[in-house]
Amino acid sequence: QSALAQPASVSGSPGQSIAISCSGTSIDVGSYYLVSWFQQHPGKAPKLIIYEFTKRPSGVSDRFSGSKSGDAASLTISGLQAEDEADYYCCLYSGSSTYVFGSGTKVAVL
Amino acid sequence: QVQLQESGPGLVKPSETLSLTCAVSGYSITSAYYWGWIRQPPGKGLEYIGSIYHSGNTYYNPSLKSRVTISVDTSKDQFSLKLTSVTAADTAVYYCARLTRGLIHWGQGTLVTVSS
Repeated sequence: QSALAQPASVSGSPGQSIAISCSGTSIDVGSYYLVSWFQQHPGKAPKLIIYEFTKRPSGVSDRFSGSKSGDAASLTISGLQAEDEADYYCCLYSGSSTYVFGSGTKVAVL
Repeated sequence: QVQLQESGPGLVKPSETLSLTCAVSGYSITSAYYWGWIRQPPGKGLEYIGSIYHSGNTYYNPSLKSRVTISVDTSKDQFSLKLTSVTAADTAVYYCARLTRGLIHWGQGTLVTVSS
């Protein structure tokens, strides 16, 4: 299973919007799969922020949104804040408890 | 609110077997969901190891399948990971997790170092 490709780093100024892409050969157009996104601060466990491409768990800021376009998924962070500085991982679920993680993206708030 | 807590040795010698247990509280392990393990080498990304259903059905990452066993003890609401023939490349923070359709709830993680 190859890791899904993500940009190594993305940066933005406070208040700006940024987007992180997630793509790879694990994603077959037309096949069944779901994408989740996780936020990880240094020394902490990852936290679920988006599931099933676009859904937000209770308590997650609506500044985080997910989308799907063709055979790729994206996470958008709007109104960037200092606390959003973290690593972000996409995760593909393709049934039968099969999961593949993205390579991870470091978000820097300038 | 479900809570997961990993336990086990923090240091394992090369070629030996890594063994970890995850205690689940606030939720019955037999109710639903898959229960699994994910690891993260220092400074690197996340790697899915595998998971188990309370019935005993398992899924293992093909890259680790020959060395991994995940088991469940429903009487204690806990599940376990065994990874054999470890090397320095297996040094990582190991997370136990509850999984379903991409929704992953994580334990706090435990660092396991492989070194003589």
